[in-house]
Amino acid sequence: DVKVTQSSRYLVKRTGEKVFLECVQDMDHENMFWYRQDPGLGLRLIYFSYDVKMKEKGDIPEGYSVSREKKERFSLILESASTNQTSMYLCASTPDSLDPYGYTFGSGTRLTVV
Amino acid sequence: GQSLEQPSEVTAVEGAIVQINCTYQTSGFYGLSWYQQHDGGAPTFLSYNGLDGLEETGRFSSFLSRSDSYGYLLLQELQMKDSASYFCAASSNTGKLIFGQGTTLQVKP
Repeated sequence: DVKVTQSSRYLVKRTGEKVFLECVQDMDHENMFWYRQDPGLGLRLIYFSYDVKMKEKGDIPEGYSVSREKKERFSLILESASTNQTSMYLCASTPDSLDPYGYTFGSGTRLTVV
Repeated sequence: GQSLEQPSEVTAVEGAIVQINCTYQTSGFYGLSWYQQHDGGAPTFLSYNGLDGLEETGRFSSFLSRSDSYGYLLLQELQMKDSASYFCAASSNTGKLIFGQGTTLQVKP
């Protein structure tokens, strides 16, 4: 079975800390995505990557960066965490961004910034 | 800009039929997908429309009208386990999958 694994289910960090959220997929997918999910706002795209070392900004990239050094791993970085980044973060991957059947999501990381 | 609008909440009884509407404004629109998410779980793919018309998958059907920038998800023979959040999502030729804000469906006995 296709799998997207997010390293932490729950995370509590302090304001100003540098935070790394890790996502690993075992399906050799080209495309990987980071979303944040907030009540009433749905899933909002932060960054995506269509190949190793390639990245594209999504709709809300401010305050975030990403790293994709290997095909299977896509990291989301909060350079200096702030309380308004408290959210559920979801990673997804797909072999083809135009193929809707191929999207697989991880179980999410609930980040609390205090 | 890109946006999708769907109702925030819908309530229905077991055995009934419910329709969740979605209107979209997406440049380079490619198709409309529907995802289901139970509390604490990951979104899971339900249905996709790349062309106008109705797609049926068991108790779930989805419809798309490109000329109206409109689609809907139809759930028939509702069961308690269908209580969840449902998201429409538009894929575009930019490689993005953009989600609506989600509709919480509550199924009552």
